[in-house]
Amino acid sequence: GDSVTQMEGPVTLSEEAFLTINCTYTATGYPSLFWYVQYPGEGLQLLLKATKADDKGSNKGFEATYRKETTSFHLEKGSVQVSDSAVYFCALINAGGTSYGKLTFGQGTILTVHP
Amino acid sequence: GAVVSQHPSRVICKSGTSVKIECRSLDFQATTMFWYRQFPKKSLMLMATSNEGSKATYEQGVEKDKFLINHASLTLSTLTVTSAHPEDSSFYICSARDGTVARVYGYTFGSGTRLTVV
Repeated sequence: GDSVTQMEGPVTLSEEAFLTINCTYTATGYPSLFWYVQYPGEGLQLLLKATKADDKGSNKGFEATYRKETTSFHLEKGSVQVSDSAVYFCALINAGGTSYGKLTFGQGTILTVHP
Repeated sequence: GAVVSQHPSRVICKSGTSVKIECRSLDFQATTMFWYRQFPKKSLMLMATSNEGSKATYEQGVEKDKFLINHASLTLSTLTVTSAHPEDSSFYICSARDGTVARVYGYTFGSGTRLTVV
């Protein structure tokens, strides 16, 4: 079945540091890829998305590029802020196969940014 | 954009009682809603998928008699935790899917419910 693997956390950075959170996936067909963010005590918010190979999703300074050749969707931000501290989830939706319509999540990566 | 309202945000109940959590899509019709459970510092575990007007589909290992799901309309799904015990304490999150656009826009999530059973 489909699966998403994220880098182990937690990740601790100083403000203005560069951020990379790795995400790779296994899926049949052509899934859509997403990054969700969860702030403490809240639900999940869509951060960015990409629906086909080589698409770049971007939002709030975060970027991720859909790389089909490496089955990856790594999240990057050039300069993190304390307010970026949250849990980040990589996810996919597959239009085919037994996982049709279901959102498959990675395990989540806790990011803490210090002033 | 699509908004999903989840209520209550926090609930404390006594062991042995039942608790109902509501999930409403405010500006779209949700043909499918999903219920997740999240343990501290863990990812989301899909509990069940509910489709309007039909029985929910539960994931393996989830007790359907304990976690009752009702999706009576295109804008409302409810999760009832029956005879709650302390081990049911968790963060429950719903999400809603708006027809075929889910593949492009993903799903919209509620803000979650923190359940504490004492």
